[in-house]
Amino acid sequence: ETGVTQTPRHLVMGMTNKKSLKCEQHLGHNAMYWYKQSAKKPLELMFVYNFKEQTENNSVPSRFSPECPNSSHLFLHLHTLQPEDSALYLCASSAGGGKLFFGSGTQLSVL
Amino acid sequence: GESVGLHLPTLSVQEGDNSIINCAYSNSASDYFIWYKQESGKGPQFIIDIRSNMDKRQGQRVTVLLNKTVKHLSLQIAATQPGDSAVYFCAEKGSDDYKLSFGAGTTVTVRA
Repeated sequence: ETGVTQTPRHLVMGMTNKKSLKCEQHLGHNAMYWYKQSAKKPLELMFVYNFKEQTENNSVPSRFSPECPNSSHLFLHLHTLQPEDSALYLCASSAGGGKLFFGSGTQLSVL
Repeated sequence: GESVGLHLPTLSVQEGDNSIINCAYSNSASDYFIWYKQESGKGPQFIIDIRSNMDKRQGQRVTVLLNKTVKHLSLQIAATQPGDSAVYFCAEKGSDDYKLSFGAGTTVTVRA
């Protein structure tokens, strides 16, 4: 158990659906992240929040909408996704200094 | 920009042997490096890290070596066990304390 919990673990959605991914960290960290992991590719940073403020948006399409109500919770709202958005979405948290703690991820399939 | 890469995408190791996983990085200003292990169905888990003012750091059965002259990082696993089968990622941190750049990963398979 890393102290970072993601739900759901698996999600199948159609291109017209709206769904949300949830992440919660119990480590007292101030920064939270969304990463996308596709097969055979390095982890892609999507968003960074530090003390609830978004500090990084790595040119992510607007069909992905993050929300960070407090330093312990992070959401990723999904709407009108494409099949190429199918991937493992990882949440992480950090206290700064480089070391990230990851959740187990949400395996997303877009049909 | 920063880029981090691993020399080999796959590594097959006999159980009990030592494993060496290599990683090259391009940003000479990177000051922190970290290795993660990712097992099937799980997120990346921290293994060991090293700061740029060191060239070697040891953990339990793992050693990280840093050669800043040639911008090379390696992870050595002693007496490799079946539970070591996983994908291993190296990552580096530059001036931004909240940003890591990851390599593509090396898949390690341990043969019985």
